[in-house]
Amino acid sequence: EPEVTQTPSHQVTQMGQEVILRCVPISNHLYFYWYRQILGQKVEFLVSFYNNEISEKSEIFDDQFSVERPDGSNFTLKIRSTKLEDSAMYFCASSDMRLGRKLFFGSGTQLSVL
Amino acid sequence: AQKVTQAQTEISVVEKEDVTLDCVYETRDTTYYLFWYKQPPSGELVFLIRRNSFDEQNEISGRYSWNFQKSTSSFNFTITASQVVDSAVYFCALSEAAGTASKLTFGTGTRLQVTL
Repeated sequence: EPEVTQTPSHQVTQMGQEVILRCVPISNHLYFYWYRQILGQKVEFLVSFYNNEISEKSEIFDDQFSVERPDGSNFTLKIRSTKLEDSAMYFCASSDMRLGRKLFFGSGTQLSVL
Repeated sequence: AQKVTQAQTEISVVEKEDVTLDCVYETRDTTYYLFWYKQPPSGELVFLIRRNSFDEQNEISGRYSWNFQKSTSSFNFTITASQVVDSAVYFCALSEAAGTASKLTFGTGTRLQVTL
């Protein structure tokens, strides 16, 4: 089965630094997402992306966050100035249909902000 | 606003026991989708099932079965003859028809521990 690939699997950064989390969605998918999971908590929606623009974002996704699809294969999440509370597992996902299709999740990037 | 409640934080069973994980949801939409995902200790999210709001048929897949009851807004998941490999956190999730993408609202998860 095709996979969503995320790199790196672990990222450690200092507070205030910028980080870029990378994802390669499944090639024929058109909808892309970022979710995050703070340790021991539920998975939370951050942002959805379609047709080269954000289609929906949550309250968590403030001005410190941005997403980009720089080429035909990568989908990135940038955090401009990391805070301690940004420490979490970040999941990328993609889907091939607007509604109801299952989201294929990557294995996640564990971000630790020190 | 949509909401998913998984009241069971943690369940511990002995191998071969049956176990049911509860999920109750809230939505104003008449068209929506319900999902179950499994998160094993390795951390990835593994899709288990998707059900749309118009299909109330129960589903069975091997040792897994799902009971969707619109009247009680519940989508419960049963594992028959549980195995140690079933140990994981299980998330129920809801996707409403409104919006431009399949945004999922997750419950808080139920941690299932299966012991020998």
